[in-house]
Amino acid sequence: AQSVSQHNHHVILSEAASLELGCNYSYGGTVNLFWYVQYPGQHLQLLLKYFSGDPLVKGIKGFEAEFIKSKFSFNLRKPSVQWSDTAEYFCAGRTYGQNFVFGPGTRLSVLP
Amino acid sequence: NAGVTQTPKFRVLKTGQSMTLLCAQDMNHEYMYWYRQDPGMGLRLIHYSVGEGTTAKGEVPDGYNVSRLKKQNFLLGLESAAPSQTSVYFCASSSMTGGRTEAFFGQGTRLTVV
Repeated sequence: AQSVSQHNHHVILSEAASLELGCNYSYGGTVNLFWYVQYPGQHLQLLLKYFSGDPLVKGIKGFEAEFIKSKFSFNLRKPSVQWSDTAEYFCAGRTYGQNFVFGPGTRLSVLP
Repeated sequence: NAGVTQTPKFRVLKTGQSMTLLCAQDMNHEYMYWYRQDPGMGLRLIHYSVGEGTTAKGEVPDGYNVSRLKKQNFLLGLESAAPSQTSVYFCASSSMTGGRTEAFFGQGTRLTVV
């Protein structure tokens, strides 16, 4: 069965620290991958997406992610986090004709 | 362009009561979804629809029913609410272009069943 896992349940960082959130997927064939962010009390918003081509994708607010096919990974990175990045982050995958599969989420707390 | 709109935003129900959550999208999307979000469990798919007049069960369909009479609307019904259905419910939609499209989410409905 298709699944998406996220390594970290809760990450706590100080402002200006670098961020990397892990995401692994188990899919056969071509997979499309997404990172969503959910700020406290809000809905999910798309940060970035990967369909094909350059495995390093850049998203909004300085986030980027790298698709590594050999490792079945799609980790999210940001060089320097801000207090306003405090949120929950969801990795998701989708293949043709299938529904989205979401990971359990990683809560990020950034300390001022 | 409103995107995906959910009503209501908050609701408190007594056990055994019924209610309907409405989701409306104005992006002409074929696919629509209902998820529930519970702490530590991420998003779980309740029901989904791949087009007007069609619905299908997701991961956790028990206790819920859905209807998609119009392309732009997707209704989620609870016939007899239970405390286990206390959750935040999100509606989402996406276009039909294979897997190459993201899902757009509504603002959520926070439901408490007492």
